[in-house]
Amino acid sequence: DQQVKQNSPSLSVQEGRISILNCDYTNSMFDYFLWYKKYPAEGPTFLISISSIKDKNEDGRFTVFLNKSAKHLSLHIVPSQPGDSAVYFCAAIMHFQGAQKLVFGQGTRLTINP
Amino acid sequence: DGGITQSPKYLFRKEGQNVTLSCEQNLNHDAMYWYRQDPGQGLRLIYYSQIVNDFQKGDIAEGYSVSREKKESFPLTVTSAQKNPTAFYLCASSIFEWGTEEKLFFGSGTQLSVL
Repeated sequence: DQQVKQNSPSLSVQEGRISILNCDYTNSMFDYFLWYKKYPAEGPTFLISISSIKDKNEDGRFTVFLNKSAKHLSLHIVPSQPGDSAVYFCAAIMHFQGAQKLVFGQGTRLTINP
Repeated sequence: DGGITQSPKYLFRKEGQNVTLSCEQNLNHDAMYWYRQDPGQGLRLIYYSQIVNDFQKGDIAEGYSVSREKKESFPLTVTSAQKNPTAFYLCASSIFEWGTEEKLFFGSGTQLSVL
């Protein structure tokens, strides 16, 4: 039961253009969404997050958009830089019955071409 | 520098052998986690601990065991009962606050392979 899905395993974008990474979820109980970035042979690092009560959060070149009716979120990177080449994981948090659960998507490998 | 240290970076297991992956953090975080990453899959939760001397099973706990005797340490043992142990293992920690966007801080991982 994949509650958080990243349907594109890979994405290739030219340097300087916009990168858009997508994530879909099935459970309306998620109340926070996060994006993590991962380089090979390293642990993921937190990038940006958004609360379910918002529809946009921006931090420098990174913007996350949340569409609750479509159960969809996206990460926009503009302009894309070579150092952005990494695997990006979408994650969602839900709180219920005294438990807090974090669920990750499968990841999207972003390649920025010069 | 504060952070999470995982060791070893690479580990090989023989058939029928138990191996232990180390995870130490000096961030003073209450919560610690073990995740497994397989190619083409997301991070799957093995075990987590929100407080010393207490831990809970995650989604794929079978074949694994943990202990949390100290706040700083959360070792993971991959037992012989885990039939497909080859994967990249990630340890993480967080300041556990109920109802917040819990940001995890990850170690650099251990790649476990079967000989």
